[in-house]
Amino acid sequence: ETGVTQSPTHLIKTRGQQVTLRCSSQSGHNTVSWYQQALGQGPQFIFQYYREEENGRGNFPPRFSGLQFPNYSSELNVNALELDDSALYLCASSLAGQGGKEGYEAFFGQGTRLTVV
Amino acid sequence: DQQVKQNSPSLSVQEGRISILNCDYTNSMFDYFLWYKKYPAEGPTFLISISSIKDKNEDGRFTVFLNKSAKHLSLHIVPSQPGDSAVYFCAARLMAGGTSYGKLTFGQGTILTVHP
Repeated sequence: ETGVTQSPTHLIKTRGQQVTLRCSSQSGHNTVSWYQQALGQGPQFIFQYYREEENGRGNFPPRFSGLQFPNYSSELNVNALELDDSALYLCASSLAGQGGKEGYEAFFGQGTRLTVV
Repeated sequence: DQQVKQNSPSLSVQEGRISILNCDYTNSMFDYFLWYKKYPAEGPTFLISISSIKDKNEDGRFTVFLNKSAKHLSLHIVPSQPGDSAVYFCAARLMAGGTSYGKLTFGQGTILTVHP
């Protein structure tokens, strides 16, 4: 069973540029979520994908977009980068349908540290 | 609008003693609660969870307690070990049926330091 992997681990971009971050879900998981974690804060939900469609979105502007592929891997795209986009971006995979007393777990990758200068 | 709050930014505990981390929430539609541990330069690691229909869940040294009437949960670590030193996040999930099902809302985190 492979875990959640993200690439790249670190990235430096210039304000106004575009960036694509990648995530490979844990084997057997069909749902992927993306989170932004600013320094000293908890992760903030960006959006979630299930069966290649967006299935819930947090309070982030449209320049944050994503894709989920048939193999359940995913991309997070951010256009027109701003300085405040500098953060740790986390991908989490889970299995839709879990819930109730049987348990629910989302497994996170190690994150991509994005710095916008 | 901070729906999940961890009011203690840090906690320092002696090895072998109990660590108690607290979390409060405001949204009664949360149906699942989770605790994650995070080391620097790593992603959050799942520790333990509890359904809103339970009031206690135990896994080894970790026990989570849920008080629905007070909208409060706590994580107990007994005995605490130096390797437990990390940032601990509590998170909550909205009930099934909404468009945000599966979304986790996190607290700000508590830095736990366990001294040898």
